Amino acid sequence: GAGVSQSPSNKVTEKGKDVELRCDPISGHTALYWYRQRLGQGLEFLIYFQGNSAPDKSGLPSDRFSAERTGESVSTLTIQRTQQEDSAVYLCASSSGVLVTDTQYFGPGTRLTVL
Amino acid sequence: AQKVTQAQTEISVVEKEDVTLDCVYETRDTTYYLFWYKQPPSGELVFLIRRNSFDEQNEISGRYSWNFQKSTSSFNFTITASQVVDSAVYFCALSEAGYGQNFVFGPGTRLSVLP
Repeated sequence: GAGVSQSPSNKVTEKGKDVELRCDPISGHTALYWYRQRLGQGLEFLIYFQGNSAPDKSGLPSDRFSAERTGESVSTLTIQRTQQEDSAVYLCASSSGVLVTDTQYFGPGTRLTVL
Repeated sequence: AQKVTQAQTEISVVEKEDVTLDCVYETRDTTYYLFWYKQPPSGELVFLIRRNSFDEQNEISGRYSWNFQKSTSSFNFTITASQVVDSAVYFCALSEAGYGQNFVFGPGTRLSVLP
């Protein structure tokens, strides 16, 4: 497809388990962002990738969160030892450039529920 | 520090009514960007508008219009003759710096347009 895709769309896990969330950006987009959206709240920035540069991890809430991206393709967000407060929708976005004027295109999100 | 406030948590209107969504922001920078995004039930955020701090001219796009007033630090969004398809959560966002990872989102306003 032409847009950003994310998988799975829904994930239910037990507290303490690890989860992996996947994002496929728009082809050719060099920048990729992960956000967290808690119920009834706005988006929180988690991490940002730009090409082969070191990612900006300034938004990751704890060392249980990590993300990888291979080149300008797929990214994986991993949450280790999940906690109930990790329950949220995780959104991925990509853009053709790094500037704020480069529109971010969002995927449909992965809804994570930690029991 | 930057902050975005959307005081209206939920709004319900009847189709064809006009509705204004409020957005108030805080920033210490003189150069910044303001955004509105729409999040329909499908979950994907859709970019609506970007405005830089040096351009206070109001903008109209079809049934959508935006009123940017630096004097009151507001960037309000009006939908004229609302339609059921306008039902969504609308987010206002602010970015102080020139790079895409510095977004701050408001908590969102859920708009329900009733037939």
